[in-house]
Amino acid sequence: QLQLQESGPGLVKPSETLSLTCTVSSGSISDSNYFWGWIRQPPGKRLEWIGEIYYSGTTYYSPSLKSRVTISVDTSKNQFSLRLNSVTAADTALYYCARLWSGYSDYFDSWGQGTLVTVSS
Amino acid sequence: IQMTQSPSSLSASVGDRVTITCRASQSITTYLNWYQQKPGKAPKLLIYAASSLQSGVPSRFSGSGSGTDFTLTISSLQPEDFATYSCQQSFSSPKTFGQGTKLEIK
Repeated sequence: QLQLQESGPGLVKPSETLSLTCTVSSGSISDSNYFWGWIRQPPGKRLEWIGEIYYSGTTYYSPSLKSRVTISVDTSKNQFSLRLNSVTAADTALYYCARLWSGYSDYFDSWGQGTLVTVSS
Repeated sequence: IQMTQSPSSLSASVGDRVTITCRASQSITTYLNWYQQKPGKAPKLLIYAASSLQSGVPSRFSGSGSGTDFTLTISSLQPEDFATYSCQQSFSSPKTFGQGTKLEIK
């Protein structure tokens, strides 16, 4: 069964860069049927889509975050990563990575457990 | 596209039939998915394309609707169903989610 696991620092200082990695196991990140995405949830708020990447490197980002976000993929390690620069307290959230089935209808069919990132000095 | 769920919270008992509503700010045809969230656990896909049951999800879960109005129904609540449920549209970018409906034990 596919597993996704987020990893990275749980505390980031304001104005610095948040970096997270998602490791995919029991499945290939190069599977042509899927994109790989990042979603976050600030405390007490709704889920927010950040962006997604295809194994070839094609990316799509949320317009509200596009100027600060980079998502990359490393097929040799079966990982994809998120970088969010110039963070503020508003970026404090539970960050999830997920697999996105991209066909007639797109949906996130497998998720990691999430990792809490706090932005604070 | 804005997604609005109702109610935001709901108290029910084991065995009850429960319906949660999700409304889109414009038509999304059937590009609507439902997820279940429990604290400390990975979100779980329940329904995709408005009414298709994800593999492995119990048949007491069902989804319906098209256009702007959608419902998630749990036909007979089980103890493990007490969780938060969120809808999500994939009709257009950016993908957006509802604010969630917290289902609590009465």
